[in-house]
Amino acid sequence: DAKTTQPNSMESNEEEPVHLPCNHSTISGTDYIHWYRQLPSQGPEYVIHGLTSNVNNRMASLAIAEDRKSSTLILHRATLRDAAVYYCILGNSGNTGKLIFGQGTTLQVKP
Amino acid sequence: NAGVTQTPKFRILKIGQSMTLQCAQDMNHNYMYWYRQDPGMGLKLIYYSVGAGITDKGEVPNGYNVSRSTTEDFPLRLELAAPSQTSVYFCASSYAGDLRYGYTFGSGTRLTVV
Repeated sequence: DAKTTQPNSMESNEEEPVHLPCNHSTISGTDYIHWYRQLPSQGPEYVIHGLTSNVNNRMASLAIAEDRKSSTLILHRATLRDAAVYYCILGNSGNTGKLIFGQGTTLQVKP
Repeated sequence: NAGVTQTPKFRILKIGQSMTLQCAQDMNHNYMYWYRQDPGMGLKLIYYSVGAGITDKGEVPNGYNVSRSTTEDFPLRLELAAPSQTSVYFCASSYAGDLRYGYTFGSGTRLTVV
């Protein structure tokens, strides 16, 4: 399975944008880039995913590099409720849909 | 919709005891997964199923068994509990396996083996 590299932790101020980076230099052509987050004492929560083009939804935006070797999750205005561990995950290239989680980035949001 | 329901939420087991962690989903998802999360760590895949009657091992299957007799249910069995199985267990489901769809996770079962 292709691996991802994320910073262990990041800090942000409330109401400011946050850019969470992810490197995935060994990504294959059929791998989707998924982002999940895990709030304290909760199960992971789907945030966004994409293949090649940038994606937007109500929670966040996903910017994918042209060569697909990196991506950035963008939270447009961080709130205290966005403090969580954010996981960048590449999808299995087969048809079993397995997501293999790494360590993720712990985001702290300061008021 | 209830989504993915896990029971129990908490459990304390003695070494050598057995138990079944229950997972049920009401979204008609074919794909279901069991993960464990040790303190301060990411999630590790234990077992997964791509449909009723079909299961396969994930990254850390030793000490666990699963079955999938219906689309809705995917129980995880611990036969001889060991302290190394102290963890939080998450069940998840997905509509399809081609990853165009997100996973839905349950709220977890916190298991302590003493």
